[in-house]
Amino acid sequence: GESVGLHLPTLSVQEGDNSIINCAYSNSASDYFIWYKQESGKGPQFIIDIRSNMDKRQGQRVTVLLNKTVKHLSLQIAATQPGDSAVYFCAERGGTYKYIFGTGTRLKVLA
Amino acid sequence: DTEVTQTPKHLVMGMTNKKSLKCEQHMGHRAMYWYKQKAKKPPELMFVYSYEKLSINESVPSRFSPECPNSSLLNLHLHALQPEDSALYLCASSQDRADSNQPQHFGDGTRLSIL
Repeated sequence: GESVGLHLPTLSVQEGDNSIINCAYSNSASDYFIWYKQESGKGPQFIIDIRSNMDKRQGQRVTVLLNKTVKHLSLQIAATQPGDSAVYFCAERGGTYKYIFGTGTRLKVLA
Repeated sequence: DTEVTQTPKHLVMGMTNKKSLKCEQHMGHRAMYWYKQKAKKPPELMFVYSYEKLSINESVPSRFSPECPNSSLLNLHLHALQPEDSALYLCASSQDRADSNQPQHFGDGTRLSIL
């Protein structure tokens, strides 16, 4: 289930299930969106991106959906594995060089 | 291993010290960034360099002084920092084209503690 803690929302998912991480973005003019994964002690790692002229993009085990009408982005992870445990950030490009990160969601994979 | 290398990985310094953080990339990227990240928070943009010129300074206090000696290197000089400056400092790089739609590549950061 999903819970909002004091600092970081957490999504707990059973191993093997699908995960859906949501993100609301702020700027309707943003033209490019990225999902990053950040493991403990490491920098953000690129997962998948999508341009504003698309509404869906698929990668290996991951899918990003973009709904511009409600300014919503989601990341779907299929068959979630223990190695997927991390904090996930969405980022929108709101201007040249200006990438604005969402608050982040911690994904916990339960064995 | 990331393609953006940051040194040192950890740094502890007093409020009167002067130190520098270093970042290096060899991907041919011409845009380089410094971000500050507090625990359980998203990265916050500090500075952007484009073709070795400072393009963005997000109203960062002058005790942080960036430098881009060449297209592969980015430094962050620190002087007279405050305890609230303790954070993870991330360097990133990307292709420098407004229409490139290329993601930023991040290093693993320098964890800075101010005593």
